[in-house]
Amino acid sequence: AQSVTQPDIHITVSEGASLELRCNYSYGATPYLFWYVQSPGQGLQLLLKYFSGDTLVQGIKGFEAEFKRSQSSFNLRKPSVHWSDAAEYFCAALGVTGGGNKLTFGTGTQLKVEL
Amino acid sequence: DTGVSQDPRHKITKRGQNVTFRCDPISEHNRLYWYRQTLGQGPEFLTYFQNEAQLEKSRLLSDRFSAERPKGSFSTLEIQRTEQGDSAMYLCASSKGQPNSGNTIYFGEGSWLTVV
Repeated sequence: AQSVTQPDIHITVSEGASLELRCNYSYGATPYLFWYVQSPGQGLQLLLKYFSGDTLVQGIKGFEAEFKRSQSSFNLRKPSVHWSDAAEYFCAALGVTGGGNKLTFGTGTQLKVEL
Repeated sequence: DTGVSQDPRHKITKRGQNVTFRCDPISEHNRLYWYRQTLGQGPEFLTYFQNEAQLEKSRLLSDRFSAERPKGSFSTLEIQRTEQGDSAMYLCASSKGQPNSGNTIYFGEGSWLTVV
């Protein structure tokens, strides 16, 4: 079955520290990959996406993600976290064929930023 | 562009009542999606439309749920005889074309449903 796993439910970092959020996927063929952010009570905002090409993808708000086929991973990173980055982060995958119309989401990682 | 718009944003209803949510996608987006998100979970796919045609439904969409997009523009999601387990946020999303062709899926802010 297709699945996306985010191993960390909660992460706390100090403002200014670096951040890495983990995401692993299990798909028959390498899917398209996404990171979304959700602020409390709000919808989802797309941070970045990977379809093909350069495995290091740049997104909005200073985020980047690296696709590693050998590890089936698509980890999200930010060099220096700001207090406003506190939110929930979701990794998602989209099948290249067949189920290519629905996103499969991980369970999310709640990010807390300490001032 | 105005974003994906959902109404109402919050709904509290008694068990057994019917509720209806409305979604207005981004203009000219021909694909519209519904997802459900419960506390502590990621969104789960419910159904999607291409124009007015409902092309896929998840097994999560029981007989009590019905979605329509009559003119290929806005969509409604109705839940009949609500149960406490229906309490969740219902997210609507839209895209200009097929998402696995590079088209971004944009999400609305969601409609919170609480069944008491």
